[in-house]
Amino acid sequence: AQRVTQPEKLLSVFKGAPVELKCNYSYSGSPELFWYVQYSRQRLQLLLRHISRESIKGFTADLNKGETSFHLKKPFAQEEDSAMYYCALLQGGSEKLVFGKGTKLTVNP
Amino acid sequence: GAVVSQHPSRVICKSGTSVKIECRSLDFQATTMFWYRQFPKQSLMLMATSNEGSKATYEQGVEKDKFLINHASLTLSTLTVTSAHPEDSSFYICSASQQGARGELFFGEGSRLTVL
Repeated sequence: AQRVTQPEKLLSVFKGAPVELKCNYSYSGSPELFWYVQYSRQRLQLLLRHISRESIKGFTADLNKGETSFHLKKPFAQEEDSAMYYCALLQGGSEKLVFGKGTKLTVNP
Repeated sequence: GAVVSQHPSRVICKSGTSVKIECRSLDFQATTMFWYRQFPKQSLMLMATSNEGSKATYEQGVEKDKFLINHASLTLSTLTVTSAHPEDSSFYICSASQQGARGELFFGEGSRLTVL
C-alpha cells in the first residue's frame, strides 16, 4: 500500500538553526513526491516537487530511494517558515495525492 | 498563479438539512478536482476525485449518497452534504490540477461545516 509517514507532529527550532522535516514513503514503483505548506490562516500550497530538484524559499528535498525518504531541509530557518508542512506521494497511474499527517514547524526568535 | 475559490468558507446548519459547497477554478480549466476532508489535527483525507462531465470516483468508505459531487463545467465542482448530521461536521477542502501537471494541486480556502 502507498503510504507517507511524517514521524514528527511538532518541530521547534530557533531562528538561524538548520531544520529537517522528515518524510518516509512506502511505494513499490517509481515515486513522485511533493512538499506542501500551509501558513497560518492561508490555504495549502505547493512548496516543491522532487522532479524539479529546485530550491524554494531556501528549502530543498532530496529523494533517497534506498531509505525511501524525502526529507525537507533548510540550512538557516527563518521565523516566517513557521507553518504546517505536508509530504505527499502521487499515486501511480492516477492524479491522486496521498498526504502524510503533517509536521508543524515553529521557528522561535 | 492559478486560483481556486471555495464557497462558503463557513456554514452552520441544522441536522437533517443539506449543504452545498462550491469549488471554482478562477483562471484555469480544471479537468480534475479533488475533495478532501480534514479532521482536527489530522491529515487531509481524500474523499473523491471529480472529473468534468463524468461521475465522481469515491474513495473507499465514503458514502456516495451522503456526499454528492457534481463537476458540471471545467471551472466548477460542487459537494453537497445531504441530510447532514453532527458527525459530518468537518473542514472540507477542494483542490484542482491543471492538465499535464500531475501532483501539483491548487487548493481552495476550505469550508468549515458545523452541523447542529
